[in-house]
Amino acid sequence: DTGVSQDPRHKITKRGQNVTFRCDPISEHNRLYWYRQTLGQGPEFLTYFQNEAQLEKSRLLSDRFSAERPKGSFSTLEIQRTEQGDSAMYLCASSLMAGADSPLHFGNGTRLTVT
Amino acid sequence: DQQVKQNSPSLSVQEGRISILNCDYTNSMFDYFLWYKKYPAEGPTFLISISSIKDKNEDGRFTVFLNKSAKHLSLHIVPSQPGDSAVYFCAASTQGAQKLVFGQGTRLTINP
Repeated sequence: DTGVSQDPRHKITKRGQNVTFRCDPISEHNRLYWYRQTLGQGPEFLTYFQNEAQLEKSRLLSDRFSAERPKGSFSTLEIQRTEQGDSAMYLCASSLMAGADSPLHFGNGTRLTVT
Repeated sequence: DQQVKQNSPSLSVQEGRISILNCDYTNSMFDYFLWYKKYPAEGPTFLISISSIKDKNEDGRFTVFLNKSAKHLSLHIVPSQPGDSAVYFCAASTQGAQKLVFGQGTRLTINP
């Protein structure tokens, strides 16, 4: 179990640029989640995949945000035309199944700073 | 609409004593509750969970209590150790839902 891996750890970008983050879940986990955390707050749900299917999206995920999980393994989160309000920690998590027996395992996150 | 609330931003406890972290929720449909611990520069790590059919779950030094009528849960750490210093998040979900709703977190500091 190598854990959930996220890349890059840090990203600084100028307003208006596009950025893409990658998440590699624990290999046998078929569920993958993206959360966003801002300073002083808990993680907020963005979207969720079961295998390659994106099954739920939060209203926080504006049309500038897109997430994919093309082969049901790694996932990417792209933010187009970044805004300063997008500055946050973006967390990826995976689980084997839903419910009490399979809590989410989080990666160490990608910290995005939009200048 | 903050459905899960941790009203204490910080807590300081002496090593060896009991740490009690509190969490309140407003959504009566929540039936699964978890606690996560987060160190700086790391992602949250799962600590302990409880289903709504129980009122207590224990794992070593960590015990979670659930009071459904009060919509309140708490995490007890006994005895507290310096390595327990971290930010603790409570989270909740509903049956069949895939997403967790997190509280704002409580920063626990264990003093030697």
